[in-house]
Amino acid sequence: DAGVIQSPRHEVTEMGQEVTLRCKPISGHDYLFWYRQTMMRGLELLIYFNNNVPIDDSGMPEDRFSAKMPNASFSTLKIQPSEPRDSAVYFCASSLSVDFQETQYFGPGTRLLVL
Amino acid sequence: KQEVTQIPAALSVPEGENLVLNCSFTDSAIYNLQWFRQDPGKGLTSLLLIQSSQREQTSGRLNASLDKSSGRSTLYIAASQPGDSATYLCAVIKLGNRDDKIIFGKGTRLHILP
Repeated sequence: DAGVIQSPRHEVTEMGQEVTLRCKPISGHDYLFWYRQTMMRGLELLIYFNNNVPIDDSGMPEDRFSAKMPNASFSTLKIQPSEPRDSAVYFCASSLSVDFQETQYFGPGTRLLVL
Repeated sequence: KQEVTQIPAALSVPEGENLVLNCSFTDSAIYNLQWFRQDPGKGLTSLLLIQSSQREQTSGRLNASLDKSSGRSTLYIAASQPGDSATYLCAVIKLGNRDDKIIFGKGTRLHILP
């Protein structure tokens, strides 16, 4: 398996623009997680899905952030409109069944810069 | 709210030495604790997962311990190698609390000197 795939790897956009980050989890993994990493706040869980259903979105910072998982092999994290403080590295991770008891496999991340 | 602290933030050690990385947490009611490794520009790689009922886990030259009562975990690396240079993060997991599901420390940047 190729592991967790994220695209794009780098994104530079201007404030106010819509940003869409994409993730393909490892085949067969039932859980998908979106994280954000910044120097100030470290790594934070934004939202996670189980079998394509959002389970916990309490980490999503604002209504400008939304995430979907239309099928087992694809998820998106959208920011609309984007702001400079959204600049961060966004990671997607997936794991087998059981809530946080199984190893999570992380993608390489998307480095987002909002000007 | 759970807080996870890793001290020191950075550490340089000569190759071959044994070393210990520290992780402390404020709420001992955790489900499990995980140690991750992050290489520059990469995602996280899971190293060890310790269930709350366990005291330690071992994988090769790595040994992680957990003391819930004192709110501490350590990652012991034996016979360090330059390839061990990376940032090491610990994360504590607490079930049943939407705002406190998984909390990461900010990590310790480890540099092994050849």
